[in-house]
Amino acid sequence: GAVVSQHPSWVICKSGTSVKIECRSLDFQATTMFWYRQFPKQSLMLMATSNEGSKATYEQGVEKDKFLINHASLTLSTLTVTSAHPEDSSFYICSARGLGGRATGELFFGEGSRLTVL
Amino acid sequence: DAKTTQPPSMDCAEGRAANLPCNHSTISGNEYVYWYRQIHSQGPQYIIHGLKNNETNEMASLIITEDRKSSTLILPHATLRDTAVYYCIVRDGNTGTASKLTFGTGTRLQVTL
Repeated sequence: GAVVSQHPSWVICKSGTSVKIECRSLDFQATTMFWYRQFPKQSLMLMATSNEGSKATYEQGVEKDKFLINHASLTLSTLTVTSAHPEDSSFYICSARGLGGRATGELFFGEGSRLTVL
Repeated sequence: DAKTTQPPSMDCAEGRAANLPCNHSTISGNEYVYWYRQIHSQGPQYIIHGLKNNETNEMASLIITEDRKSSTLILPHATLRDTAVYYCIVRDGNTGTASKLTFGTGTRLQVTL
């Protein structure tokens, strides 16, 4: 299947700092990317939908000023957790959807990025 | 609102078929049934999807009832590496829209020796 890569795979930061997580579609152009968050022993919760070249659409209850999403190109979306606090510690997962080619319409997921805020 | 109901957990002996049920009684005509699985600390992995016909690929088979209100994912010969949480998801099949995947709680499949 199509490949979606996240970086970093894990990160530890101090409370109050900002952390950027990258999501790249390696072999297809992703017009839409989704960002999920997963707490231990829970399911994935959709945070936001980002479309290339436009503002992200956030799910209810997700602070857009805290979780900044940029989808500046067809192969890269970034999630920045601003002023991170321990309660932001979680597993962040992106998924990408392409149009055309082998990735038509389907959603492929990255490996996830584990954030630990001290 | 996940729109699907799955048992929270199941066990299966290695080498046996694992049959994972899913209820989606409110599924609409243009919604597909997707199955993903998540191995611990990894991103979800696509398994299979279907609309109304049964589907088979190298990973699994998907059996959808005629009324489409339920389906079963079949792993024909489960191995220890199939231990994971399996998610059944219904999703708008119109790929022209940003149709998102909404995850429910899934079924935790434990494959044992």
